[in-house]
Amino acid sequence: SQKIEQNSEALNIQEGKTATLTCNYTNYSPAYLQWYRQDPGRGPVFLLLIRENEKEKRKERLKVTFDTTLKQSLFHITASQPADSATYLCALPTGFQKLVFGTGTRLLVSP
Amino acid sequence: GAVVSQHPSWVICKSGTSVKIECRSLDFQATTMFWYRQFPKQSLMLMATSNEGSKATYEQGVEKDKFLINHASLTLSTLTVTSAHPEDSSFYICSAGLAKGEQYFGPGTRLTVT
Repeated sequence: SQKIEQNSEALNIQEGKTATLTCNYTNYSPAYLQWYRQDPGRGPVFLLLIRENEKEKRKERLKVTFDTTLKQSLFHITASQPADSATYLCALPTGFQKLVFGTGTRLLVSP
Repeated sequence: GAVVSQHPSWVICKSGTSVKIECRSLDFQATTMFWYRQFPKQSLMLMATSNEGSKATYEQGVEKDKFLINHASLTLSTLTVTSAHPEDSSFYICSAGLAKGEQYFGPGTRLTVT
């Protein structure tokens, strides 16, 4: 069955460092992959979408890579700030506009 | 752009009563909206796909008679939790999908059934 895995343990890093989050999937061949940010008690916020023919995508301090051979996406936040602390979710399409989400990784950036 | 609102943001109701949650796309039209529920420290679980002008499509295991969905216009979808019980207490979130693939989420509704 289709499965998405994100590290369930919180990632603690110091301000200014680069945070790297991982999303692995099995039994999928997605045309694209998305990353969302979710703050406690709030709905997710769309960050980036990367297509299968794109190796890398950047948006300001965010960078996403997509390796369809490894079935893995890496999400990087450079020069991290305490305001980046949140849970980050990866999501894959499963039908017309439908998405399935990973469990998310909580990022804690300490000053 | 692509703002989605939800109302109410939180609601407390007594067991056996029904609760309606509204989801609106404020600055765009959404022919398709999605309803999710999320338990603490868990990921979002898709409940149903709401289609404007037609019946909703429910995911496996979701009771359609308990979670009534109406998508009456291109900017409004509603979820009614009927005969709510404490186990229905959860965080309910709606989203609207765009043609490019990304979804824009509402802020969520915290439902507590006592």
